[in-house]
Amino acid sequence: DGGITQSPKYLFRKEGQNVTLSCEQNLNHDAMYWYRQDPGQGLRLIYYSQIVNDFQKGDIAEGYSVSREKKESFPLTVTSAQKNPTAFYLCASAIAGTGLNQPQHFGDGTRLSIL
Amino acid sequence: EDKVVQSPLSLVVHEGDTVTLNCSYEVTNFRSLLWYKQEKKAPTFLFMLTSSGIEKKSGRLSSILDKKELFSILNITATQTGDSAVYLCAVEASRKTSYDKVIFGPGTSLSVIP
Repeated sequence: DGGITQSPKYLFRKEGQNVTLSCEQNLNHDAMYWYRQDPGQGLRLIYYSQIVNDFQKGDIAEGYSVSREKKESFPLTVTSAQKNPTAFYLCASAIAGTGLNQPQHFGDGTRLSIL
Repeated sequence: EDKVVQSPLSLVVHEGDTVTLNCSYEVTNFRSLLWYKQEKKAPTFLFMLTSSGIEKKSGRLSSILDKKELFSILNITATQTGDSAVYLCAVEASRKTSYDKVIFGPGTSLSVIP
């Protein structure tokens, strides 16, 4: 079955550590996105990529980094520069950006906590 | 600044009740409005609305958009406990110099009790 797989489901990080969240999709989607969700708030965009080897900052990119070496994969690294990383992280993909009126498909998320 | 507002933020109803969730928006270059249902994990797509006054329906759920008044409603009739979830409203806005931006509202948390 086609879909988006995020791993791990739960992740704990010590202060000062970098951690990488995995996102893989087999939907053959060109565009991929990372969102952060905090309690009582909507999804906020961290980074997005519309094509391999290219990505753009979203609204809250500080303290995060990404890569897009393959169409299927869009890993997110939460660096030690991110001062408040505890959140629920959602990865999404879409056919070709959002300009074709196609909804985004979401993974099941990774919950990151600071020890 | 683009924003999407949802109300109420939380709601508790009994099975069988009908509920109406509200979403209002202020965005530049509106393209579409989307509703998602989120049950603890991945948001799942419900509706995409682009034209005013045309109701979209899926079983007990329906939604309509008013582009003049800049709002949308999501109706759920004969609610069931399985309808308990956070309902997210998102608005897509065109940008000439960058990607078409999607702005999410804070969500409405719906709890349906037996």
